[in-house]
Amino acid sequence: NAGVTQTPKFRILKIGQSMTLQCTQDMNHNYMYWYRQDPGMGLKLIYYSVGAGITDKGEVPNGYNVSRSTTEDFPLRLELAAPSQTSVYFCASSPWRSYEQYFGPGTRLTVT
Amino acid sequence: AQKVTQAQTEISVVEKEDVTLDCVYETRDTTYYLFWYKQPPSGELVFLIRRNSFDEQNEISGRYSWNFQKSTSSFNFTITASQVVDSAVYFCALSEATQGGSEKLVFGKGTKLTVNP
Repeated sequence: NAGVTQTPKFRILKIGQSMTLQCTQDMNHNYMYWYRQDPGMGLKLIYYSVGAGITDKGEVPNGYNVSRSTTEDFPLRLELAAPSQTSVYFCASSPWRSYEQYFGPGTRLTVT
Repeated sequence: AQKVTQAQTEISVVEKEDVTLDCVYETRDTTYYLFWYKQPPSGELVFLIRRNSFDEQNEISGRYSWNFQKSTSSFNFTITASQVVDSAVYFCALSEATQGGSEKLVFGKGTKLTVNP
């Protein structure tokens, strides 16, 4: 199993551009999550999903959108990139009724 | 709301010293889980341990040990005989139940540990 994969690894965006961060897991996990990690800070939850077709907001959802059309994929969309969205983004997944989250390698995004 | 406090921002030790990383949490849940993750300089998050709120037994895994005390809402992490490879940022996290039945994690800000040769 590849686990949780994220693409791209790095990306530089100009202010106002849009992009989608991809996240795929091959462990058939029900739950998936998007976190962001700002320098010197812990991770903060952006959005999460408990299954295909079901998503909900986390602590810092503004400026982002998600969708979950399949169990495997949970893309994160930035519509109008702003410098405040410069961060490292982690996707994670966990099995049904489990409390351990498996993290992807992260995407480092810079908005200038 | 759930909260995790890691008061030590940075710790620097010399190899072979023992070091303890502190974690204090706040929660109203009666059932919860506590976690420690390691983030080495390469950036990935490595799971170290998960502890159920009903299990207050200390746990030891090689040079790592964890002390969970509900009375003081603490879940401290000790590395014995530290090594240079232990240099990383360590995060303590607390589970928080969501309406959908999943658990989301609330992270502390992390403690950066530097082990010098």
